[in-house]
Amino acid sequence: AQSVSQHNHHVILSEAASLELGCNYSYGGTVNLFWYVQYPGQHLQLLLKYFSGDPLVKGIKGFEAEFIKSKFSFNLRKPSVQWSDTAEYFCAVTPSSNTGKLIFGQGTTLQVKP
Amino acid sequence: EAQVTQNPRYLITVTGKKLTVTCSQNMNHEYMSWYRQDPGLGLRQIYYSMNVEVTDKGDVPEGYKVSRKEKRNFPLILESPSPNQTSLYFCASSLSGQSIYEQYFGPGTRLTVT
Repeated sequence: AQSVSQHNHHVILSEAASLELGCNYSYGGTVNLFWYVQYPGQHLQLLLKYFSGDPLVKGIKGFEAEFIKSKFSFNLRKPSVQWSDTAEYFCAVTPSSNTGKLIFGQGTTLQVKP
Repeated sequence: EAQVTQNPRYLITVTGKKLTVTCSQNMNHEYMSWYRQDPGLGLRQIYYSMNVEVTDKGDVPEGYKVSRKEKRNFPLILESPSPNQTSLYFCASSLSGQSIYEQYFGPGTRLTVT
């Protein structure tokens, strides 16, 4: 079965530290990849997306992610986190063969200490 | 303002009492979907709809029904709610075509079934 795995469930960082959140998916075909963020008390919103082309994608608020096809990974990175990045982060995958399904990972809670 | 609205935002009900959670979008999106969010499990897709009168099961459809009679509305129906359906529910919409694109999420409906 298709699945998405986020290895870090809870991450605590100090401001200015670098961030990398892992995301791996299990699906052999073509996929579209997303990272969503949920700030406390707010809607889920799209952070960045990958459909094709350059495997390094840049999103809002200084986030970026790299698609490594051979590793089935789509890790999220930010060079220097801020307190306002405290949120829950979700990786998600759409298999191109079943365009209606969006499969989410379990989520990673990021806490940034000022 | 482009948005996805859900009603009610909070609901406490008893086992077996039928309820409907409404979802409406004003972006003329073809695609709509329902998710439930539970701690440690991330978001799981319940049902989705690629267009009017076209619906399909997600990963956890048991105990839920949906209908898509109009493009803008996608209600979620719980015919006989049970305590294991206590959760946070999100509706989302998106353009579609070759694949669903960026999904816009509603504010969520927190349901408690006693």
